[in-house]
Amino acid sequence: GENVEQHPSTLSVQEGDSAVIKCTYSDSASNYFPWYKQELGKRPQLIIDIRSNVGEKKDQRIAVTLNKTAKHFSLHITETQPEDSAVYFCAASKVGSGTYKYIFGTGTRLKVLA
Amino acid sequence: NAGVTQTPKFQVLKTGQSMTLQCAQDMNHNSMYWYRQDPGMGLRLIYYSASEGTTDKGEVPNGYNVSRLNKREFSLRLESAAPSQTSVYFCASNDWTANTEAFFGQGTRLTVV
Repeated sequence: GENVEQHPSTLSVQEGDSAVIKCTYSDSASNYFPWYKQELGKRPQLIIDIRSNVGEKKDQRIAVTLNKTAKHFSLHITETQPEDSAVYFCAASKVGSGTYKYIFGTGTRLKVLA
Repeated sequence: NAGVTQTPKFQVLKTGQSMTLQCAQDMNHNSMYWYRQDPGMGLRLIYYSASEGTTDKGEVPNGYNVSRLNKREFSLRLESAAPSQTSVYFCASNDWTANTEAFFGQGTRLTVV
């Protein structure tokens, strides 16, 4: 079945350094890849997303890259700040296919050390 | 505009008891979802409803049933709770035709003893 693998499960970085989280998906028909941030005790919230017709997307300190051939996509956070500490989830889905669901990765707990 | 609202926020059940988790959205979304979140397991899809009147199994449907009561409401029922169903449950909704972003409720922390 469909599967999304996410690595690493935990990541600690010094404030100001960059953080990279990687995901691999199994279904080559997937065409939409969102990233969600979940702060402790809160609900997941969308921070950035990318569609399969785009290779990279940036939003201030956050960027996502997609390699369709390898079925990989990654989240890049630059100049990390303590408020970036959270659990990050990647997901994959097939928009427009009639399949209306997201498959999530297992999450990455990011700790930004001051 | 409350978004996605779940009730209750916390619940303790004894093994074998039943309960229904309620979810309502006020964004006129077509699709609704139930996920469970366990440590190290991420968000796993239990059931989803692509549109009013339809429901489908997700990755981990065993032990659960759902009802799409109307466009706004999507409930999750545990008929005979088991300790393995101890988890945090999230409801989510979106409208694939307008915006792919999924909006989550605040979660229900369920403990089965």
